[in-house]
Amino acid sequence: DGGITQSPKYLFRKEGQNVTLSCEQNLNHDAMYWYRQDPGQGLRLIYYSQIVNDFQKGDIAEGYSVSREKKESFPLTVTSAQKNPTAFYLCASSTLEKGGYTFGSGTRLTVV
Amino acid sequence: GEDVEQSLFLSVREGDSSVINCTYTDSSSTYLYWYKQEPGAGLQLLTYIFSNMDMKQDQRLTVLLNKKDKHLSLRIADTQTGDSAIYFCAESIVRDDKIIFGKGTRLHILP
Repeated sequence: DGGITQSPKYLFRKEGQNVTLSCEQNLNHDAMYWYRQDPGQGLRLIYYSQIVNDFQKGDIAEGYSVSREKKESFPLTVTSAQKNPTAFYLCASSTLEKGGYTFGSGTRLTVV
Repeated sequence: GEDVEQSLFLSVREGDSSVINCTYTDSSSTYLYWYKQEPGAGLQLLTYIFSNMDMKQDQRLTVLLNKKDKHLSLRIADTQTGDSAIYFCAESIVRDDKIIFGKGTRLHILP
């Protein structure tokens, strides 16, 4: 079955360490997205990519980095420059023709 | 600018109908969506409506679109405990190839 997989589901890191969240899709979708979700804040767009080897900053890109070397993969690195990294991170993908996103099941990152 | 507004909480008795409302700002949106998020999970697309439609029904779900007022609603008939979740309204922004999400409405089911 096609889908979008985020791993790991839970991640704990010490303050000051970089951490990379994985997102893989086998839906042959062109576009991929990273969102951050905090209680009461809804979804906030971090980065998105509409094509391989290209990506754009979203609304809250500071302290994050991404790469899009393959169509299937869009990893997100949370760097030590991110002031408040503890959150629930959601990855999504879509075809640009129709819209409507398919979401992964999320990664909960806790920085201690 | 682009914005999607929805109330944050709704409480409904089991068996009653739930109506979740949403307003959006971009009149050029082609699709409007409702997503459901259960605790600790990602968002699941529940239903969507094309902007030239007024209504869409799918089993217990009814979506109403008032394009003049930029108002979208989701009605869940015979609300069950399994409907307890956060519901997100979203609009597509054609020129940016993006979807803008509301902050989500948490639906609480009363026994």
